[in-house]
Amino acid sequence: EAGVAQSPRYKIIEKRQSVAFWCNPISGHATLYWYQQILGQGPKLLIQFQNNGVVDDSQLPKDRFSAERLKGVDSTLKIQPAKLEDSAVYLCASSLWGALNEKLFFGSGTQLSVL
Amino acid sequence: GQQLNQSPQSMFIQEGEDVSMNCTSSSIFNTWLWYKQDPGEGPVLLIALYKAGELTSNGRLTAQFGITRKDSFLNISASIPSDVGIYFCAGQLKGGSEKLVFGKGMKLTVNP
Repeated sequence: EAGVAQSPRYKIIEKRQSVAFWCNPISGHATLYWYQQILGQGPKLLIQFQNNGVVDDSQLPKDRFSAERLKGVDSTLKIQPAKLEDSAVYLCASSLWGALNEKLFFGSGTQLSVL
Repeated sequence: GQQLNQSPQSMFIQEGEDVSMNCTSSSIFNTWLWYKQDPGEGPVLLIALYKAGELTSNGRLTAQFGITRKDSFLNISASIPSDVGIYFCAGQLKGGSEKLVFGKGMKLTVNP
């Protein structure tokens, strides 16, 4: 079974530039999550999708971050414009239905460096 | 946001030794999870706990869901070099959404 695919693996940009990350979840998984993991911290949920609808985006900095999952399969997370403090690993995860106690499968992440 | 206090922050042990780590919170959790993250990879679930007092093993790993629902511990017995990595606790709040809250992680180094 293929895992959660993310690209690119690494991205280096200058502050105020834009960047986009892509995620393809495990086939058949209805729920997709984007997490931000700052160095030395645990992952923090940015946004959760159920199919193509947003379930939770309470921790997404909406003035600069946006995400979409138009067809309910793959997803894109965008930052525009980037700030220095956005340097982090962006992890995508998926689960079958998003139910309580359901296992999350994480991708390898995109490491973003903002200079 | 909610905080999980994970300790210790790092440990250096010799191969074959046992290691313990724990996680505490001021809030009550419905679920406690323990993940391991290798460099350049996403976290992988090791053990999931769903009931207060539950003690669960997975090979050399043993974890417990605290009676108060505010803490959990993970033990690794007879460590081996491939145990190296960062271990995270995570929980789902009682009465909250399904959103997982993660601890800051414990970096484990195993000297062969």
